[in-house]
Amino acid sequence: GAVVSQHPSRVICKSGTSVKIECRSLDFQATTMFWYRQFPKQSLMLMATSNEGSKATYEQGVEKDKFLINHASLTLSTLTVTSAHPEDSSFYICSARGEGKNIQYFGAGTRLSVL
Amino acid sequence: GESVGLHLPTLSVQEGDNSIINCAYSNSASDYFIWYKQESEKGPQFIIDIRSNMDKRQGQRVTVLLNKTVKHLSLQIAATQPGDSAVYFCAENEGGNNRLAFGKGNQVVVIP
Repeated sequence: GAVVSQHPSRVICKSGTSVKIECRSLDFQATTMFWYRQFPKQSLMLMATSNEGSKATYEQGVEKDKFLINHASLTLSTLTVTSAHPEDSSFYICSARGEGKNIQYFGAGTRLSVL
Repeated sequence: GESVGLHLPTLSVQEGDNSIINCAYSNSASDYFIWYKQESEKGPQFIIDIRSNMDKRQGQRVTVLLNKTVKHLSLQIAATQPGDSAVYFCAENEGGNNRLAFGKGNQVVVIP
């Protein structure tokens, strides 16, 4: 199956710092990548959809200046949490989908803890 | 912020028995459905998918059933094993929509 690599798997940072999370499709070209956030015992909440070479589309209520998304190539998307605060602590997961495909393949997730 | 006190619907099943996980979806325009398995602190893992022009699809030890009349999806796991313990999510792709909408999730606990 298709492999999506997400890094780092865990990050602890101080309040006010920025954190970058990378998502890579290793064996296919991902025309579309998605970023999700997940709270304990809850489902995945879509934050934004990014298409290679264009601006990300953010879901309602997600601050685009807070969560910067870049999808500069067909195999890499990044999510930067800017000026992180304790309420940003969560599990962030990316997924990738090839052109013309429906299946989203997920990364392993990143546990962000902001102190 | 994070919510507390939430409990996922939980299915406890004896090892070797069959499991059935149910999901109600909301959009009658949805034309594609996926089941994912998620273990603790990991990303969701694709299990099986089905298109709306089918009502049943089988994989290895898993079967997905789709009832469009009542907008219901189920996942059957045969001979459940301890490694099947996880949270299972159904997801629907609304026709023409770029996105997947995820269900709330069901916790499966396999008792050895």
